[in-house]
Amino acid sequence: EVQLLESGGGLVQPGGSLRLSCAASGFTFSGYAMSWVRQAPGKGLEWVSSLSGSGGNTFYADSVKGRFTISRDNSKNTLFLQINSLRAEDTAVYYCAKGQDYTDNMLDNWGQGTLVTVSS
Amino acid sequence: QPVLTQPTSLSASPGASARFTCTLRSGINVGTYRIFWYQQKPGSLPRYLLRYKSDSDKQQGSGVPSRFSGSKDGSTNAGLLLISGLQSEDEADYYCAIWYSTTVVFGGGTKLTVL
Repeated sequence: EVQLLESGGGLVQPGGSLRLSCAASGFTFSGYAMSWVRQAPGKGLEWVSSLSGSGGNTFYADSVKGRFTISRDNSKNTLFLQINSLRAEDTAVYYCAKGQDYTDNMLDNWGQGTLVTVSS
Repeated sequence: QPVLTQPTSLSASPGASARFTCTLRSGINVGTYRIFWYQQKPGSLPRYLLRYKSDSDKQQGSGVPSRFSGSKDGSTNAGLLLISGLQSEDEADYYCAIWYSTTVVFGGGTKLTVL
């Protein structure tokens, strides 16, 4: 059974930083692309970033490019999202999601999410 | 104009069928894309329902009942999600998505009310 467990969210001041983690189990982690998707309170789903199974190919939404960095440690079955220069509009639940295969970034399993709140 | 457009809401009766539309922006051909559908119940994480590109390229999500199905309407350039035999537990938000121009694009979501 695929399991994805996010952590690292919390309350942070504008301009601050956080590092989100997603611990994966139940599948061959290095064989799949992984993504982050966020959902602001009461809003729809917004894709944030994806990377391939090796981590060699990364993709970002324009809204986070230059501020967010996606990475993975395949030896530890863990996905990361480094988020810098946080803004109020980054407040959201951040979901980790598994891709369909090594390079297919479309999502077929989701974690429970971790809440990031940006406020002074 | 957004890449994917979904109606904000849809209502249907228990036992009836519901038809969700996901219209691709003019100039983006629905025939080219796998359309993904997700269900999100209040307070819960999204759930992958299925993907549909053609009858020969489709996939049902793990544990998703066969009363959920996908199709396309080329005349309106839309992906479709069909739910038959509606149950109260189907009440949720439904999102479509595609991989477009090196990004995952979601539609705005359709809220299904079963009444």
